[in-house]
Amino acid sequence: SSVLTQSPSVSVAPGQTARIACGGDKIGGKSIQWYQQKPGQAPILVVYDDSERPSGIPERFSGSKSGNTATLTINWVEAGDEGDYYCQVWDTWSDYPGVFGGGTKLTV
Amino acid sequence: QVQLVESGGGVVQPGGSLRLACVGSGFRFNSYAMHWVRQAPGKGLEWVASIWFDGSKKYFGESVKGRFTIFRDNSKNALFLQMNSLRREDAAVYYCARGFSSAWYIMGFWGQGTPVTVSS
Repeated sequence: SSVLTQSPSVSVAPGQTARIACGGDKIGGKSIQWYQQKPGQAPILVVYDDSERPSGIPERFSGSKSGNTATLTINWVEAGDEGDYYCQVWDTWSDYPGVFGGGTKLTV
Repeated sequence: QVQLVESGGGVVQPGGSLRLACVGSGFRFNSYAMHWVRQAPGKGLEWVASIWFDGSKKYFGESVKGRFTIFRDNSKNALFLQMNSLRREDAAVYYCARGFSSAWYIMGFWGQGTPVTVSS
């Protein structure tokens, strides 16, 4: 089954760019989703299908993928972006297809 | 607007059972796949189970397969998670999530969660 690896933490200053990476075998052939979870709140979807943004998500959030690494990029980071970010795939060929990365804590 | 409200969480002894419910509103419930995701205290997200819009296909995480089951009652806009043989490591906040419009396996909208404590 798929394993998604994320760095435990990323720290950036306000106004800078944050890059959060997610790596895993065969990630190139799968659709990657990114979820944001602020302290004490439920997660929300911020990027789907590698690079698409749901309605209501600011353009500052973008996703990309190269080889076996997906990246969530947050431009002009604000204090309100602080929280945990999780990547996720649905591995159709696995007996246990729903997979989340371990999460990255973004500190601003 | 879309709303998902979970209920049924609480304290249960190891080996016990609990049934969680999630009621959806503000959307056509019978058109969307639904998911359960949990988060143990201080830990990350863990996918638990998923069910197609009509209940015809179900998927389970490795740690819960054989102990948990997922089902839905579309006439009541309700999703359920029946949890049996509970273990201490099942303690978590359990979130229900709605599938996304373009792909059923994407968790497009989440409820606020219901906490489950497994303790003697």
